[in-house]
Amino acid sequence: SFVLTQPPSVSVAPGKTATITCGGDDIGSRSVHWCQQKPGQAPVLVVFGDSDRPSGIPERFSGSKSGNTATLTISRVEAGDEADFYCQVWHSNTDEGVFGGGTKLTVL
Amino acid sequence: QVQLQESGPGLVKASETLSLACTVSGGSTSLYLWSWIRQPPGKGLEWIGYVGHAGKTNSKSSLRSRATMSIDTSENQVSLTLSSVTATDTAVYYCARHGRTKRGHIYNFHFYMDVWGKGTTVIVS
Repeated sequence: SFVLTQPPSVSVAPGKTATITCGGDDIGSRSVHWCQQKPGQAPVLVVFGDSDRPSGIPERFSGSKSGNTATLTISRVEAGDEADFYCQVWHSNTDEGVFGGGTKLTVL
Repeated sequence: QVQLQESGPGLVKASETLSLACTVSGGSTSLYLWSWIRQPPGKGLEWIGYVGHAGKTNSKSSLRSRATMSIDTSENQVSLTLSSVTATDTAVYYCARHGRTKRGHIYNFHFYMDVWGKGTTVIVS
């Protein structure tokens, strides 16, 4: 089965830049999407199509991809950014959605 | 602004069938794709399956024999049934709408979820 690999945790000081990676076979040929889930809340889409932002998402959130690794970058991190982040792709061969295991972002 | 609200029994006995509904307000179920996603306690997100406006549906291969999804456009609801549940089906269940763009008269359906419900907790005893 198709697997997306994320680091379990990332820590960053306020005002600094956080990077969260997502790796998977052939991810370079797939659109990667990212959602943020704060404790006790439903997920919220923050990046779609590798690097596009939905309306209302701050420009501090950006996505990129290189080879088989996608990256979510959060600039000027704030305490309110603390959350779990999940990458997601659609496996077109099987017509199934796949989520990464999630990364817990801690703001020090 | 479209909102999604999941509803269901909360508690289901093992071996029985779980039935959940997702009511859409402020928008239509028509001409969209809808996914169900679940999250076991303390764990990550798991995609369950999707259903489309034309009845097209698919589910995760490991759940395909037990999961059924449908759309009721008259009620503006999307539904999930999961049969023969066990304790491992205990989770928060979310419904989510897929993104969609339009170019001229053509709709493009995307495979990211841009609107999520708040989720409903299901415990299998």
